[in-house]
Amino acid sequence: AEKVIQVWSTASRQEGEELTLDCSYETSQVLYHLFWYKHLLSGEMVFLIRQTSSSTAKERSGRYSVVFQKSLKSISLIISALQPDDSGKYFCALWELRATGGNNKLTFGQGTVLSVIP
Amino acid sequence: EAGVTQSPRYAVLQEGQAVSFWCDPISGHDTLYWYQQPRDQGPQLLVYFRDEAVIDNSQLPSDRFSAVRPKGTNSTLKIQSAKQGDTATYLCASRRTESNERLFFGHGTKLSVL
Repeated sequence: AEKVIQVWSTASRQEGEELTLDCSYETSQVLYHLFWYKHLLSGEMVFLIRQTSSSTAKERSGRYSVVFQKSLKSISLIISALQPDDSGKYFCALWELRATGGNNKLTFGQGTVLSVIP
Repeated sequence: EAGVTQSPRYAVLQEGQAVSFWCDPISGHDTLYWYQQPRDQGPQLLVYFRDEAVIDNSQLPSDRFSAVRPKGTNSTLKIQSAKQGDTATYLCASRRTESNERLFFGHGTKLSVL
């Protein structure tokens, strides 16, 4: 079963607009992290922002922020003031923290391709 | 600080040929990951190491794929007898275990099997 689901495979906005990318996930762990990465055309996977399950703070990094709804197992990435360079593929990823060792790995969603129109 | 380095950037093979991918993680990062990213999909973990030890290779097709990290630094991922279904980007990532869980990724190797 898919653990991380990004419903929208593509999205398109005008420059200057705001965009929300949605992600849902499945986990039985109490402690976990959720990450957003951007995959550039060059192939590089760039870290954008992280949300920890135990945190109630609304994470923000520059034009990126998240809306974390823990009870719904949902996290959204919000990108404000979109620029053409924001075009790319965005991935949501889950890192489950296990109390007794276990696997420490990122599980990715399918990604959403964003096109920002100048 | 140098990032994660991968080579080659691209590879094109005929079915049945072998190929090796090489990864140099960030200095001091003890954990190294290999992900396979088929076109239009998210990265899927193949194998990961802590130092020279394999921690999880449950998703590595062991009949044709192998991965080593003999000195706990650089790593090589090899595909014997490639198939068209192996066409994907192969991403290497590393992290320092005692730091936060953020992974640092290389640019990937884009493999096409004809």
